[in-house]
Amino acid sequence: KAGVTQTPRYLIKTRGQQVTLSCSPISGHRSVSWYQQTPGQGLQFLFEYFSETQRNKGNFPGRFSGRQFSNSRSEMNVSTLELGDSALYLCASSLRPQETQYFGPGTRLLVL
Amino acid sequence: GNSVTQMEGPVTLSEEAFLTINCTYTATGYPSLFWYVQYPGEGLQLLLKATKADDKGSNKGFEATYRKETTSFHLEKGSVQVSDSAVYFCALSPQYGGSQGNLIFGKGTKLSVKP
Repeated sequence: KAGVTQTPRYLIKTRGQQVTLSCSPISGHRSVSWYQQTPGQGLQFLFEYFSETQRNKGNFPGRFSGRQFSNSRSEMNVSTLELGDSALYLCASSLRPQETQYFGPGTRLLVL
Repeated sequence: GNSVTQMEGPVTLSEEAFLTINCTYTATGYPSLFWYVQYPGEGLQLLLKATKADDKGSNKGFEATYRKETTSFHLEKGSVQVSDSAVYFCALSPQYGGSQGNLIFGKGTKLSVKP
C-alpha cells in the first residue's frame, strides 16, 4: 500500500507570495493532519481534517488555511508569506481521528 | 495542558552500545504514546507505540514501556548500529483532541552512532 505523498517536495517563494501544498493520504485513511517543523519551535500542529471538515486548528494566524476533498486528499495554503514561514511542512494520515498517524516525506518551503 | 519532555541531545554512542532516551509526559486522561524517528531529509516514521499502561511497544530492536506511575515512556535498544543515527521524537496522543491536535511531540533527540 502506498504511503502518504506530498507535493511538491521543495519550494522557494518570496515574501508576500502565497503557496499551496498538497497531501494524498494512505488509501482508506480519512483523517489528515498538518504540522510545521522548524529548528526553533520543533513540531507544531497546524490543523486536522476528517470527512472534509476541519476538526481542530492549532495556534497559527489566519494566513494558514486548509481544506480536504471528498477523496480525502488535503491542501494547505499560506498567504502573504513571511520569512518565518520557512519550514518543513509535514502531512500525516490516519484511518480516523485519534488513531495512529503516518507521515509523508514533507514539503520543504524556503521563503526569501 | 498536555506536554512531552525528552532528554536533550545530541547523544553520541559507539556501535553496539546500549541506548536509552528518556521521555516523560503530562496528560489528562489516558493518552497513547509513540516514538517516531526522522532520518536526514525525510519525514517521520512510526517506530513503536503503546496504547495503555504497562504496554510494551517494540520494533527493530527498540523497546519502550508505558509507565503510568512515573508518566514515562523511555526508548531503549540493546545494541545500536550506525544506521540508527537519526532524530527520535517521543509523542503522545491525548484522549481528547483540541487545539494541540492529536499528536503532541517532544523536541527530539539527535542520535549519532560512530563505527
